[in-house]
Amino acid sequence: TQLLEQSPQFLSIQEGENLTVYCNSSSVFSSLQWYRQEPGEGPVLLVTVVTGGEVKKLKRLTFQFGDARKDSSLHITAAQPGDTGLYLCAGVPSNDYKLSFGAGTTVTVRA
Amino acid sequence: NAGVTQTPKFQVLKTGQSMTLQCAQDMNHEYMSWYRQDPGMGLRLIHYSVGAGITDQGEVPNGYNVSRSTTEDFPLRLLSAAPSQTSVYFCASSYVRGAGNTIYFGEGSWLTVV
Repeated sequence: TQLLEQSPQFLSIQEGENLTVYCNSSSVFSSLQWYRQEPGEGPVLLVTVVTGGEVKKLKRLTFQFGDARKDSSLHITAAQPGDTGLYLCAGVPSNDYKLSFGAGTTVTVRA
Repeated sequence: NAGVTQTPKFQVLKTGQSMTLQCAQDMNHEYMSWYRQDPGMGLRLIHYSVGAGITDQGEVPNGYNVSRSTTEDFPLRLLSAAPSQTSVYFCASSYVRGAGNTIYFGEGSWLTVV
């Protein structure tokens, strides 16, 4: 079982639609990060959230860290084909120092 | 600005062979790590190092060996390759370990064991 559970596993939407990806755990995290990975490349960090309830925006992407620091979400507004990729959440548990990854959500935005 | 460099990009091994995946970073990062990525399982930590001369095991260390003789280099050795080690391997580095640090990944090494 993974420390971080991502849902859904796959998401296919039309250009212009909105989407939300979820990252949940029963553990408390010091911080959560979101990465985006394109085929043939390594993951690239999008954002780090460290405070419970924190909301960060990166253009059309909105990231939220749950109040209890056990979950996070990524919301994309008006998705574009360029948003297509594998989105990974990762976190450092409060009682540890190693970064654990979720299994990822594959997002496909159709033109 | 090279960042994290991994070699080789692709490799095919026969069962029982050994090989070394090379990783180098030019950012003077103390923390380096190796992950493997398999479908539906995300990235799993194999080994990590918090500085030259210091290494430790991650989540899936069996069948792999590492060393850290310099700050820049962190090679991953497969001692006797098995088909279960077919995967994509990523080397990563950051200034320090732990929460909130930006981790930089290499481009990956695709390994197939037949």
